[in-house]
Amino acid sequence: GENVEQHPSTLSVQEGDSAVIKCTYSDSASNYFPWYKQELGKGPQLIIDIRSNVGEKKDQRIAVTLNKTAKHFSLHITETQPEDSAVYFCAAISNFGNEKLTFGTGTRLTIIP
Amino acid sequence: ETGVTQSPTHLIKTRGQQVTLRCSSQSGHNTVSWYQQALGQGPQFIFQYYREEENGRGNFPPRFSGLQFPNYSSELNVNALELDDSALYLCASSPDPALDQPQHFGDGTRLSIL
Repeated sequence: GENVEQHPSTLSVQEGDSAVIKCTYSDSASNYFPWYKQELGKGPQLIIDIRSNVGEKKDQRIAVTLNKTAKHFSLHITETQPEDSAVYFCAAISNFGNEKLTFGTGTRLTIIP
Repeated sequence: ETGVTQSPTHLIKTRGQQVTLRCSSQSGHNTVSWYQQALGQGPQFIFQYYREEENGRGNFPPRFSGLQFPNYSSELNVNALELDDSALYLCASSPDPALDQPQHFGDGTRLSIL
């Protein structure tokens, strides 16, 4: 089955700087890669996603890149703000119809004011 | 538009007991997936229901079972509770799988086993 690895496990960034979180996946059939943000006491919130036919996607300060050949994808957050502090999870689906999400182990992002 | 709601928010049980967790899917969504999230880990897929039928199952024993109702709400039942079942249980809903739309999560039920 699919295996998703995520790095780093913790990340501290000065406010205003950029943050990058990286994930690799094992199943070359995976075709959909969402990123979720989880705040304390809350469920995961979808912040951006990318499909396998696209190499990059941006939404304001957030961007995701996908390298299908290397089987890795990354989350980029620019101009970080204190409210960006949370745990971020990458995930992959190998068959969109089945919709079984395989998650990475999470990155705890701390923005230092 | 009402999002995914789960109940109860917290629950304390003892080993050997049984528990039922509930989930109301987002309006217009007919697919519900359940995940278990242990402390400090990513969510692990338990199973998915689509139009009242199980549509995929993860690596969880048969004492984890589920139901989906005609209004697409869902229940997760766990029998013979074990200490390792202590976790946050998350429900996610999505539209018909053929529409290729993402899953949206509720805030979960925190289950503690004593």
